[in-house]
Amino acid sequence: AQSVTQLGSHVSVSEGALVLLRCNYSSSVPPYLFWYVQYPNQGLQLLLKYTSAATLVKGINGFEAEFKKSETSFHLTKPSAHMSDAAEYFCAVRRGGYQKVTFGTGTKLQVIP
Amino acid sequence: DGGITQSPKYLFRKEGQNVTLSCEQNLNHDAMYWYRQDPGQGLRLIYYSQIVNDFQKGDIAEGYSVSREKKESFPLTVTSAQKNPTAFYLCASSTLDSSQNEQFFGPGTRLTVL
Repeated sequence: AQSVTQLGSHVSVSEGALVLLRCNYSSSVPPYLFWYVQYPNQGLQLLLKYTSAATLVKGINGFEAEFKKSETSFHLTKPSAHMSDAAEYFCAVRRGGYQKVTFGTGTKLQVIP
Repeated sequence: DGGITQSPKYLFRKEGQNVTLSCEQNLNHDAMYWYRQDPGQGLRLIYYSQIVNDFQKGDIAEGYSVSREKKESFPLTVTSAQKNPTAFYLCASSTLDSSQNEQFFGPGTRLTVL
């Protein structure tokens, strides 16, 4: 079974500092991996996805993630945090068929001015 | 603009009542999904459908029912059998193309049982 683990339910960074949100996956086959962002009382929006074309994936709003097979990780980063980045972030893995997507428990990012 | 709409945004239900949450998409996606979101638990799959008149149970289907009479529509009914229905409900859709199958989400419906 495929699953994802997000380390840290809450992360706080200062405005302008590096953002690092951690995601580790377990998978018996090369996975499809996703990062989504959710603002309060809204749906999820796709930030980026890994589909084996490139290990460094660039997404929207300046975010990127690197797929590291040896570490089974897909951490999300952004060089400089902005106040508008404050939201909840979800890592997800597709577990086989198109419909079988497992979501992590989420990490709430707080940006301190 | 293509997208997914959910209505209502907020819904209040008395215990013992069934309620139906609406989900409509104009993305021409074949697959549609319903998730339940609770604080600290991520998203859990309730039901999904890949074709009209066919749907499958997800991980937490008990107390819920769905229908898929049209490609664009996938309503979810929360029945009185659902013991703890207060939650945020998200509808999503995707293509069946394995290389392009990220899910697109609606804005959600927050259900509160009074």
